[in-house]
Amino acid sequence: RKEVEQDPGPFNVPEGATVAFNCTYSNSASQSFFWYRQDCRKEPKLLMSVYSSGNEDGRFTAQLNRASQYISLLIRDSKLSDSATYLCVVNIAAGNKLTFGGGTRVLVKP
Amino acid sequence: DAGVIQSPRHEVTEMGQEVTLRCKPISGHNSLFWYRQTMMRGLELLIYFNNNVPIDDSGMPEDRFSAKMPNASFSTLKIQPSEPRDSAVYFCASSPGVGPYEQYFGPGTRLTVT
Repeated sequence: RKEVEQDPGPFNVPEGATVAFNCTYSNSASQSFFWYRQDCRKEPKLLMSVYSSGNEDGRFTAQLNRASQYISLLIRDSKLSDSATYLCVVNIAAGNKLTFGGGTRVLVKP
Repeated sequence: DAGVIQSPRHEVTEMGQEVTLRCKPISGHNSLFWYRQTMMRGLELLIYFNNNVPIDDSGMPEDRFSAKMPNASFSTLKIQPSEPRDSAVYFCASSPGVGPYEQYFGPGTRLTVT
């Protein structure tokens, strides 16, 4: 079983709609969680950290469910520019090693 | 401020040749990471350094791969000899501290081994 698993998609989303997707992690000792965004043929960039209480950044909302070992990302009022691959990232052990999921591809269409 | 700088951006080489990828982290960052990304395997951590010291190289695929960080502003990833299965995008990333901080990625080196 992979340490961090994501639905690869693609999620085809009409512009203006809401899309949500999850990521599961296998190690219950995981400590820190992030969502990164990667555009086609570009490098990954941090989208947002995920806090235990959940957090929101504009149209983006991240949630953490430790009991079920998953994190989620919700995008409201989708824009064409939201089309990208969203990488779930987990810090499994002490230190600064991050484990990346395979990514969920989102395509926002007019 | 300049971001992470990688060179070359593209490299095409023949099987058996030595390949050296270079990375300059963001000034002041203490940690440096080398990743490899392929369609099949996604983004994999190869090795990372804290304060120029290699901490975890368990992701290095085999002895053909080696990485060095002679100083805080420069790192290399070397493949010798290269094989077609090494074809991938290699990213270097740096972060400001020793902990689960945001990692800033360079633009990557797209390596093709024929």
